Amino acid sequence: DIVMTQSPDSLTVSLGERATINCKASQSVFHSTNNKNNLAWYQQKPGQPPKLLIYWASTRESGVPDRFSGSGSGTDFTLTISSLQAEDVAVYYCQYSFDTPCTFGQGTKLEI
Amino acid sequence: QITLKESGPTLVKPTQTLTLTCTCSGFSLSTVGVAVAWIRQPPGKALEWLALIHWTDEKRYISSLQSRLTITQDTSRNQVVLTMTNVDHVDTATYYCAHRVGHWNDAFDIWGQGTMVTVSS
Repeated sequence: DIVMTQSPDSLTVSLGERATINCKASQSVFHSTNNKNNLAWYQQKPGQPPKLLIYWASTRESGVPDRFSGSGSGTDFTLTISSLQAEDVAVYYCQYSFDTPCTFGQGTKLEI
Repeated sequence: QITLKESGPTLVKPTQTLTLTCTCSGFSLSTVGVAVAWIRQPPGKALEWLALIHWTDEKRYISSLQSRLTITQDTSRNQVVLTMTNVDHVDTATYYCAHRVGHWNDAFDIWGQGTMVTVSS
């Protein structure tokens, strides 16, 4: 199974500043079947289910603000929030998103 | 509008069988490419994918729990059911069902609100 490891476990960023969260896969998440890096990012606020932000490493889900961006390939990926807003306080998860098991990272708690 | 809603017991005793139902609307479980997963989250901990069922009725399970899990679908009711046998206190968690984005994309775009299950005698 592919293991997803996020860093850091927690992060404190000032309002308006950039936040960067990393995700490393134990093996490449690129698949020739769909020619994509199969990595998704989610945001989870307290008491709520996760919300899909990014899939295929860099494709923003409909309705997600453009301050959220994803990058990376192979085994190393990054979620960037370009200018942190108060409503971005949450836990963020990466997920391997091709076939099963669809493993998640351990989460990164983002605070202001 | 796609929605999913989980239902089931809030409290189960150790060794009992847990049955959870995900009622889906806004899409058909029979549509090509559709898949629904169950994912859980123990209090204060990370998400854990448990099982997935495809429109073809193909089923996939997390290897560590495969012997205890069964996922089924009732296309006439548009429901997905997860059964977990011999529950233990470590199975205490919020259980979510989630809709897969699409074929060749196992990200999950729509989630239910989740149902909290406590395992305690």
